[in-house]
Amino acid sequence: QIQLVQSGPELKKPGESVKISCKASGYTFTDYAMHWVKQAPGKGLKWMGWINTYTGKPTYADDFKGRFVFSLEASASTANLQISNLKNEDTATYFCARGAYWERDVMDAWGQGASVTVSS
Amino acid sequence: DIQMTQSPSLLSASVGDRVTLSCKASQSIYNSLTWYQQKLGEAPKLLIYDANSLQTGIPSRFSGSGSGTDYTLTISNLQPEDVATYFCQKYYSGLTFGSGTKLEIK
Repeated sequence: QIQLVQSGPELKKPGESVKISCKASGYTFTDYAMHWVKQAPGKGLKWMGWINTYTGKPTYADDFKGRFVFSLEASASTANLQISNLKNEDTATYFCARGAYWERDVMDAWGQGASVTVSS
Repeated sequence: DIQMTQSPSLLSASVGDRVTLSCKASQSIYNSLTWYQQKLGEAPKLLIYDANSLQTGIPSRFSGSGSGTDYTLTISNLQPEDVATYFCQKYYSGLTFGSGTKLEIK
């Protein structure tokens, strides 16, 4: 069955970097886009962007240009999100989500979420 | 940018009720709308896409409707396991989530 398994919780200090992984199984990784979604504590969902898993080309939403990098380890069916120069407001759960085959921007499978806490 | 407004923000209903959640776009999104269910501590789950298509495996008590700027998620015969926050998301002219409706059982 389709699974997206994300890396574990992270506790970081402001200014540090973090890398979150999302390992896919149960389907051909490079056939589907991968999205990233942020959810701050007690808040709604915010789309961060997506990565073309075939070409490796990332697309970032306006609020996530600069410190955020999407990357792939295609041979390992893994998508990564790296956040540099962490700020307190980056404290959130980050979800990876697969874009549906019939419509890229419909997210038909989600990872369990990776919690990032930024605190001095 | 097209804005998405969900209402109400909090809804309380009884088991067996028929409930209606609203999602309004600031301009037409041509049925490019999904609904997700997020239970506490879990990842979101896709319920409805293309405004009215039921995702595989989702109970038929969930249905979506609407067109243009106004869309609705209806849950008929509300069950205790439907307690969750429901988000709409448009994918016409960019991807944006609504702010969510939290559904409780009375």
